[in-house]
Amino acid sequence: GAVVSQHPSWVICKSGTSVKIECRSLDFQATTMFWYRQFPKQSLMLMATSNEGSKATYEQGVEKDKFLINHASLTLSTLTVTSAHPEDSSFYICSAREPSGSDEQFFGPGTRLTVL
Amino acid sequence: LAKTTQPISMDSYEGQEVNITCSHNNIATNDYITWYQQFPSQGPRFIIQGYKTKVTNEVASLFIPADRKSSTLSLPRVSLSDTAVYYCLVGDGQAGTALIFGKGTTLSVSS
Repeated sequence: GAVVSQHPSWVICKSGTSVKIECRSLDFQATTMFWYRQFPKQSLMLMATSNEGSKATYEQGVEKDKFLINHASLTLSTLTVTSAHPEDSSFYICSAREPSGSDEQFFGPGTRLTVL
Repeated sequence: LAKTTQPISMDSYEGQEVNITCSHNNIATNDYITWYQQFPSQGPRFIIQGYKTKVTNEVASLFIPADRKSSTLSLPRVSLSDTAVYYCLVGDGQAGTALIFGKGTTLSVSS
């Protein structure tokens, strides 16, 4: 199946700094990618839909100025957590579907963010 | 998007068959039913997908009754490595449509 990668796999940062997480579709082009956040012992929560060449669509309650999403190419979407605080510590997961392939949605391996 | 309801947790022993049932009473005509598996600190992994009747692959079977208001994931002869969270999702399968996750079922397999 198709592969979605994320980088970094984990990151530790100080409070107040910004962190960028990359999501790449390795063997297919994805006009749309999705960003999820998962807290311990909880389910995945959709944060935003990333659209190539246009603004992302954020779910209710997700601050667009804090979670900056850029989808500059058909294989790369980035999520930047600005001015990170300890409550932003979480597991961030991206996903994408092949637009002309199966209905399967492919998920990245996730990025563990810890804000000190 | 249709809401799904699954048992919060299930326990099993190695070698047994495990059936996890999911309710999706408001499923739409265009919706598919998809099951994902997630291990701790990993992204979800696709298990199986179906629209109606029965689908089988190398790891699981999916049973969907005629009214499609529920579905059952069947894992034959589970092993310790099948301990994970299993999510049932419904959606129209369009490339621009996100999957909305419910709480999932935590399956614990013991020896």
